[in-house]
Amino acid sequence: GENVEQHPSTLSVQEGDSAVIKCTYSDSASNYFPWYKQELGKRPQLIIDIRSNVGEKKDQRIAVTLNKTAKHFSLHITETQPEDSAVYFCAASRGTGGFKTIFGAGTRLFVKA
Amino acid sequence: GAVVSQHPSRVICKSGTSVKIECRSLDFQATTMFWYRQFPKQSLMLMATSNEGSKATYEQGVEKDKFLINHASLTLSTLTVTSAHPEDSSFYICSAETGRDTEAFFGQGTRLTVV
Repeated sequence: GENVEQHPSTLSVQEGDSAVIKCTYSDSASNYFPWYKQELGKRPQLIIDIRSNVGEKKDQRIAVTLNKTAKHFSLHITETQPEDSAVYFCAASRGTGGFKTIFGAGTRLFVKA
Repeated sequence: GAVVSQHPSRVICKSGTSVKIECRSLDFQATTMFWYRQFPKQSLMLMATSNEGSKATYEQGVEKDKFLINHASLTLSTLTVTSAHPEDSSFYICSAETGRDTEAFFGQGTRLTVV
């Protein structure tokens, strides 16, 4: 079945450093790749997404890259801040129309002040 | 963005009883809603896809008779945990699609504790 692998499971960085989280998906028909941030006990919040017709997307300190050939996509957070500490999930989907979203296992990011 | 409201946010129930969780799309019609279960420090595991006016599609390993899903209108899906047991204690969360966007909008989640 469809699968999304995410690494690392835990990531600890110093404030101001960059953080990179990597994901691999198995369903070649996936064309939408969102990233969610989830704080303890709260709902996941979309922070950035990328579609399969784009290789890279950036929004201020956050960027995502996609390699369709290798079925890899990555999240890059630059100039990390303590408030970036949370669990981050990557996901893959075939888009709208009732297709399910498959989530990675999550990465617990700690940003040390 | 679109708003999805989930109720209740927390519920404690006795073992053997049933609990109903509601997921509402407040400002859009959702033909499809998804139900997830999340254990502490783990990912969101899809339980089922809820389609308005038809039977839900359950993921492998999810008991249909235990987790009853009803999507009777375009703005409401319900998940009923029947004959709950302590191992059913978890964070249950729904999401809904607008049909226009590929982004999924999540409810606040429901923390279920079965004692």
